[in-house]
Amino acid sequence: KNEVEQSPQNLTAQEGEFITINCSYSVGISALHWLQQHPGGGIVSLFMLSSGKKKHGRLIATINIQEKHSSLHITASHPRDSAVYICAVRGYNTDKLIFGTGTRLQVFP
Amino acid sequence: DAGVIQSPRHEVTEMGQEVTLRCKPISGHDYLFWYRQTMMRGLELLIYFNNNVPIDDSGMPEDRFSAKMPNASFSTLKIQPSEPRDSAVYFCASTKWDSPIYNEQFFGPGTRLTVL
Repeated sequence: KNEVEQSPQNLTAQEGEFITINCSYSVGISALHWLQQHPGGGIVSLFMLSSGKKKHGRLIATINIQEKHSSLHITASHPRDSAVYICAVRGYNTDKLIFGTGTRLQVFP
Repeated sequence: DAGVIQSPRHEVTEMGQEVTLRCKPISGHDYLFWYRQTMMRGLELLIYFNNNVPIDDSGMPEDRFSAKMPNASFSTLKIQPSEPRDSAVYFCASTKWDSPIYNEQFFGPGTRLTVL
């Protein structure tokens, strides 16, 4: 079993829909990252969380440390949100990231 | 800022050849990470440096892989000899310890390596 699991693996949506991507992990962590990888391959860091909730524009990330679970929400989705979203966790006393396998999102107009 | 710079962007080589991938981190960043991405295994950390010193190389697959960071502005990842199973996209990322968003990693564009 992978230490970081994401669901769903693939997701399609119509423009304007509310999107939720889930990440569960099995190890103790000091932080959790959400990354976005566009079709061209570039990777961008969206959020780093250690507790609670963060919001940036139409993106919201939440984490529940007790349940070892995080969600990434996209409100009013747009075709330009089409990308692979990757969850990664950092353990205690380390700078190493362990990655989930990613969720491929396609938003159609 | 130019961001993290990687070269080459694409590399095609034959099995057995030596391959050298290069990375220039963002100026002032003191951590540098090398990752490999494949369809089968996703993103994996190979090695990371802090202040030019290798901290954790447990992800380096085998002795054919080596990485160096001779100074704060340059790192190399070398594969010798290369094998077809090394075909992947190799990313370099950097970050700065005392950033307000500590440990947000800034990724380079990647090097797509194909070993024939």
